Amino acid sequence: KAGVTQTPRYLIKTRGQQVTLSCSPISGHRSVSWYQQTPGQGLQFLFEYFSETQRNKGNFPGRFSGRQFSNSRSEMNVSTLELGDSALYLCASRDSRTYEQYFGPGTRLTVT
Amino acid sequence: TQLLEQSPQFLSIQEGENLTVYCNSSSVFSSLQWYRQEPGEGPVLLVTVVTGGEVKKLKRLTFQFGDARKDSSLHITAAQPGDTGLYLCAGYNQGGKLIFGQGTELSVKP
Repeated sequence: KAGVTQTPRYLIKTRGQQVTLSCSPISGHRSVSWYQQTPGQGLQFLFEYFSETQRNKGNFPGRFSGRQFSNSRSEMNVSTLELGDSALYLCASRDSRTYEQYFGPGTRLTVT
Repeated sequence: TQLLEQSPQFLSIQEGENLTVYCNSSSVFSSLQWYRQEPGEGPVLLVTVVTGGEVKKLKRLTFQFGDARKDSSLHITAAQPGDTGLYLCAGYNQGGKLIFGQGTELSVKP
């Protein structure tokens, strides 16, 4: 089976812009979660989608949003980018039987 | 709030040495997972421990889940440079979110 894929791998944006990141889960996995990883805060949960519905949400401002499509692919959007949004954004799909999560390689976002 | 605390945060050792990484919480977890992450990549799941007192081995890596299911440890025997990376423990909190420890950055020098 192919693993979790994320596009793009690297992105440079300017403060105030918006960005959309994409994630394709492992075939058959219907749950997709997004995480933000920074050196200071570590890995922090953003949100989880299951069958196109947001099932769980972390403590992030409303500028962070996401959605999931009928084929389980997911996107996350960050509007009005701030310097502090610079991070590695990770997507993970979950095996519904074992609850084990499989991560993609991440999108490295740099905000200047 | 359920938190996972890992120690040590940084570890730099010579090839061939043994080491142990700890993951502690004041809360009970139904299971804990261990991941390893290399720079620029996503975490890779190493193991899930489910039963209190459980010990799982993965080649030179030994994982243990505490009897009370509040803590876990990762022991590496005869570390090799290829073991270098960020080791993360994680568990599902009561709200169903997967929370992570801060990680242990391991550097194994040849």
